[in-house]
Amino acid sequence: EAGVTQFPSHSVIEKGQTVTLRCDPISGHDNLYWYRRVMGKEIKFLLHFVKESKQDESGMPNNRFLAERTGGTYSTLKVQPAELEDSGVYFCASSLTGLGNYGYTFGSGTRLTVV
Amino acid sequence: QKEVEQDPGPLSVPEGAIVSLNCTYSNSAFQYFMWYRQYSRKGPELLMYTYSSGNKEDGRFTAQVDKSSKYISLFIRDSQPSDSATYLCAMSALVTNFGNEKLTFGTGTRLTIIP
Repeated sequence: EAGVTQFPSHSVIEKGQTVTLRCDPISGHDNLYWYRRVMGKEIKFLLHFVKESKQDESGMPNNRFLAERTGGTYSTLKVQPAELEDSGVYFCASSLTGLGNYGYTFGSGTRLTVV
Repeated sequence: QKEVEQDPGPLSVPEGAIVSLNCTYSNSAFQYFMWYRQYSRKGPELLMYTYSSGNKEDGRFTAQVDKSSKYISLFIRDSQPSDSATYLCAMSALVTNFGNEKLTFGTGTRLTIIP
């Protein structure tokens, strides 16, 4: 079984540019989550999709961040325009729905550097 | 005050030692407790999952939850150099039909097992 795939693995962009991160969840996983870890801080929740619907987007920092999940498969997270404080590692995770399905499978993350 | 506190370490112990990792939390709504292991440049990998108070054992790993004290622990017996990684505690208040709600993480403890 393929794991959660994220790309690019690294991205370096200038302040003010746009970056799009992509996540391919494990096939059949309806839950898809985005998390972020900025330097020296804990991993923090950004949002949760169930299929193509946003179940919880309470962690999105501001309207420069736009997440989509077309057709309930892969997801993209766009940052536009990027600011210096957006630098960090962005993790995607997926899981099955239903009670009894606990924990997530995380991808390896996209390391974003805004200069 | 952070909802979850975790000593960032670093923690170095000799091979074969028993390792104790801990987190405290302030949100009494947390009911689901997880430990993740993260190797460098990789995503977090679920190690242990427990619900409410009590102990859970899996091989060399034992997770303990004391909800009355808002304190969770992970013990690693007969530690191996391959156990060297960052260990993250994570917690969730709810599990719905969609699965776990958002996780709140500790900052992680960097562990090194010295051969």
